[in-house]
Order: sequence, then structure tokens, then C-alpha cells
Amino acid sequence: QSALTQPASVSGSPGQSITISCTGTSSDAGSYNLVSWYQQHPGKAPKLIIYEGSKRPSGVSNRFSASKSGNTASLTISGLQAEDEADYYCCSYATSRTWVFGGGTKLTVL
Amino acid sequence: QVQLQQWGAGLLKPSETLSLTCAVYGGSFSGYCWNWIRQPPGKGLEWIGEINHSGSTNYNPSLKSRVTISVDTSKSQFSLELSSVTAADTAVYYCARRPSTSWSPDPFAMGVWGQGTTVTVSS
Repeated sequence: QSALTQPASVSGSPGQSITISCTGTSSDAGSYNLVSWYQQHPGKAPKLIIYEGSKRPSGVSNRFSASKSGNTASLTISGLQAEDEADYYCCSYATSRTWVFGGGTKLTVL
Repeated sequence: QVQLQQWGAGLLKPSETLSLTCAVYGGSFSGYCWNWIRQPPGKGLEWIGEINHSGSTNYNPSLKSRVTISVDTSKSQFSLELSSVTAADTAVYYCARRPSTSWSPDPFAMGVWGQGTTVTVSS
């Protein structure tokens, strides 16, 4: 079970949009529409921001959106704000009833 | 508002057994799977395993030989044991909740997390 592949870092200026990719395999992200995304600020527990590929939990800003194509899921944050600066993790259901996380992406708001 | 409160020993010696417990307050215990996830210092999240209210478990294959997750439904608690720890097991350990099925009213993902417990393995 290998971690999903995410870029180590991305950056953008306030108001811009950024996209974080999350690449898996046919054993996880490619076969299940069960990719979730988490936002983690330093010293805090992760917070769910996207589930089942593209759904937003109640209370999460609509500036967060996500999609999937083949083995790769993507998280887009539009209208970047300073508070969006955090680490972002994808997670997918995988075969044998397991779950696998991505390595994480550090978002810097310039 | 459901909350997860976790606790356990924070400093262990190599070869000892890590033991953590997570209590569920303000919500149902059945209908969910109860997860453990860890995060080594400066690194990413790693899923350890999960258990449902009936005691059925699933584990990360890379940790399966050393992990035991158990549940005490009478106390709405679940626990993690990780045997034969080494420095590589030093991490913040989180408990988290996800619905057992996708037709739950709650998001089918790890939507509620504990506060995290720092565990350090050092001789």
C-alpha cells in the first residue's frame, strides 16, 4: 500500500486559484469515488473539506472544489485567502478495506 | 456535537507497547467506523486501522503484525495498541470517526477527529 502522490508544495497570491493533484493507482483512487481532502493548520488536527470526490461538508467554503480523472484527483482553491495557508492531504479508499493518504502538500499564500 | 477525546502514554522505550484510548462524547457509537491515524514529526498522515461497533477491524498491511484495535461499546471508547515500538513510531496519533456506510447523513470520510496525542519513543 503506497501513499498517494501529491506535490510537496504549491503557492499562489491572494485572489488567485491553485490546484493540488493527488495521483493514485487502480487499487485506490482510480477505482473508487471515495477520495477525501483534509486541511491541516500547524499544530492542529486535520479538517475534512471534501468527501466522496467532490462533495463539501456543511460549513466548508465553496471556494474549495474537487474532481477526479482516472487515477488522479484534484483539489482547487479559488479566491485564495491568507487563512488557506496550510497543509492539504488527499485520502482514498483502497482495496482490502483500507485507506491511504497522500504525502501532503504545503500551500503558501504569497 | 460529537467530540473525540483521546489519551495515553506519551513517552515509551523501544520494544514497549503503545497504548491509546479514544472516547466518544455527544454522539452515537454504532453506525460508524473508528479510526487511528498517525503523523510523524514533519511528515504526512498514515492510516493505521479502524474498527466498527461490532468489533470488526481493518488494518494497514504495513503495521498489521503489530497493531490491535479494540472497542468497548459500554463506554463508547476504542483503543489502539502498537507493540514492539521503535523510534520510527514516534508521531502524533489521532483518532477519527467515519460513517460505516455511504448513505449515512454524515460525510463518508473521516469527519470528526480527536485532538491528537504525541507519542515519543526514546531510550
